[in-house]
Amino acid sequence: QSVLTQPPSASGTPGQRVTISCSGSSSNIGSNYVYWYQQLPGTAPKLLIYRNNQRPSGVPDRFSGSKSGTSASLAISGLRSEDEADYYCAAWDDSLSGSWVFGGGTKLTVL
Amino acid sequence: EVQLLESGGGLVQPGGSLRLSCAASGFTFSSYAMSWVRQAPGKGLEWVSAISGSGGSTYYADSVKGRFTISRDNSKNTLYLQMNSLRAEDTAVYYCAKDQGPGLGATTPPFDYWGQGTLVTVSS
Repeated sequence: QSVLTQPPSASGTPGQRVTISCSGSSSNIGSNYVYWYQQLPGTAPKLLIYRNNQRPSGVPDRFSGSKSGTSASLAISGLRSEDEADYYCAAWDDSLSGSWVFGGGTKLTVL
Repeated sequence: EVQLLESGGGLVQPGGSLRLSCAASGFTFSSYAMSWVRQAPGKGLEWVSAISGSGGSTYYADSVKGRFTISRDNSKNTLYLQMNSLRAEDTAVYYCAKDQGPGLGATTPPFDYWGQGTLVTVSS
């Protein structure tokens, strides 16, 4: 059971806009930044969004992040076949001694 | 170019020990905190441990606290994870990851670069 909650799956057709949600609590998303990672099949994860809505250099502006209260979202516009991957959200959790927590991951299928 | 190369994975019996290494290059190693993140077969990501750039501060997930020890040798640009009292549920691909600053916790964005991972299998 992951601390952050994501839908297990999402799908869309090429060109569509899809969103993936990430729900947490006051001790993690509610008080800290959210990060998003993309994991293509058989590869290591890659940083997609940092500090809620910032894109590292090289990440297309089709990817965007937002946060409101204890929830966050990743939006992908102009969906492409190469976007088919697992997506994970993460945040620092202030409870107890502190730790990084992840969502369970969302498998995005491009139909 | 940032490169992280893990090694040391393999098959170990329950209760056994293993030490993972992560050789870093392409950045000033001592200026950045480092983390270990694992992924059980077919499962999601789980943060395991983190260490500050100087090595003076460490954090552990509750699931490994008291069994795993993270360390680093800044003279060798290498990160380590000593794993003792291994259990079947520790079976996973272990990734080392670079953080975006020297400190730990909420103020330092995590995991901006990842290695390719090393597989640890705990089984009799």
